[in-house]
Amino acid sequence: EDQVTQSPEALRLQEGESSSLNCSYTVSGLRGLFWYRQDPGKGPEFLFTLYSAGEEKEKERLKATLTKKESFLHITAPKPEDSATYLCAVQAGSNTGKLIFGQGTTLQVKP
Amino acid sequence: GAGVSQSPRYKVAKRGQDVALRCDPISGHVSLFWYQQALGQGPEFLTYFQNEAQLDKSGLPSDRFFAERPEGSVSTLKIQRTQQEDSAVYLCASSLEGSALSAPQHFGDGTRLSIL
Repeated sequence: EDQVTQSPEALRLQEGESSSLNCSYTVSGLRGLFWYRQDPGKGPEFLFTLYSAGEEKEKERLKATLTKKESFLHITAPKPEDSATYLCAVQAGSNTGKLIFGQGTTLQVKP
Repeated sequence: GAGVSQSPRYKVAKRGQDVALRCDPISGHVSLFWYQQALGQGPEFLTYFQNEAQLDKSGLPSDRFFAERPEGSVSTLKIQRTQQEDSAVYLCASSLEGSALSAPQHFGDGTRLSIL
């Protein structure tokens, strides 16, 4: 069964304190791994797609990496505006494009 | 350009009533998805359309849930005889390509459904 597990569930950081969020997955034939950001009362906002082990993508203070079993979202020198829930999702090769999401990591960055 | 638009943003209904939730995808997007998100959880897949064809409805929790996209653009998710466990946020997403490519899905802000 395709499954995604994110850790930690919640993370509190001081402004400028770098850290990483983990996304572990089991999937039959990974087609893509997606990272989204979700603010309260809003829909998920697309951040990155990773397709194969070893791939990395960056956007401002965020960097996503991928191995055969997990993905990391590294946050460098975070700011309070980075506070949000970060969702990881996988798309399997055997299905019609649906995303299987983890439960998310809620990040709070204090000034 | 305009993103995915969902209406209403909030819906309160009494148990047993029928509800209809609307999704306007990004213009030209071929694929449309519906997800259900419970409080504190990640979204869960309900159903998928490629143009007007419903290609996957494996996530619909019961036969009380029905979705359509008759002209390949706007979609409606209908829930009949609502129950309290149907309370959740219903998210719609669209993507440019069909399922052959891993195009990112772009989400609307959802409809928060509360069943009393």
